[in-house]
Amino acid sequence: DAGITQSPRHKVTETGTPVTLRCHQTENHRYMYWYRQDPGHGLRLIHYSYGVKDTDKGEVSDGYSVSRSKTEDFLLTLESATSSQTSVYFCAIGTVNTGELFFGEGSRLTVL
Amino acid sequence: AQSVSQHNHHVILSEAASLELGCNYSYGGTVNLFWYVQYPGQHLQLLLKYFSGDPLVKGIKGFEAEFIKSKFSFNLRKPSVQWSDTAEYFCAVNAQYNQGGKLIFGQGTELSVKP
Repeated sequence: DAGITQSPRHKVTETGTPVTLRCHQTENHRYMYWYRQDPGHGLRLIHYSYGVKDTDKGEVSDGYSVSRSKTEDFLLTLESATSSQTSVYFCAIGTVNTGELFFGEGSRLTVL
Repeated sequence: AQSVSQHNHHVILSEAASLELGCNYSYGGTVNLFWYVQYPGQHLQLLLKYFSGDPLVKGIKGFEAEFIKSKFSFNLRKPSVQWSDTAEYFCAVNAQYNQGGKLIFGQGTELSVKP
């Protein structure tokens, strides 16, 4: 398995609170991604990073921000969590020339 | 914009039955195609991939997929399923123009195999 660690793996929080999910890789991949998985929607890209301090939006970026201060860490922040952000969040690393991704174990977030 | 469509949301089969899961994408250029599998409670794992060459690709655990460019399809097949194949299957596409290797996923097909 690719060296990708997500934390926390499970979190329950209340509406309006900030939440940060962490993705840590040991593979030295330049590209990192945050997806959310919801029934009936498959996986949808939230944000991705193509290098330290270089990030861009995906298809469902509203309400989320990201930061990448070093190659191995990619943080996803919900500034003020809403119930619609209850989901399973997957971090992935990838090879840009093929698009193949390797996924972390996922972080299950419940917003009450 | 690119999109990926998986026709079956939930498929139920008995062991030893044959499987075919449909996947169509909308993009007219060159693409890289993937099938990922997610076993219950686990993360996504690569099942197989197509970049170029022989349009019939073989993956792990006896799965194969056929790329038909004229139909914009990349259907997944297995001649004889096992109970252990129970999982959710995702088709994904990366257009080669696409910076960052972003994958666009289909909605997923849940496969339940009855023993």
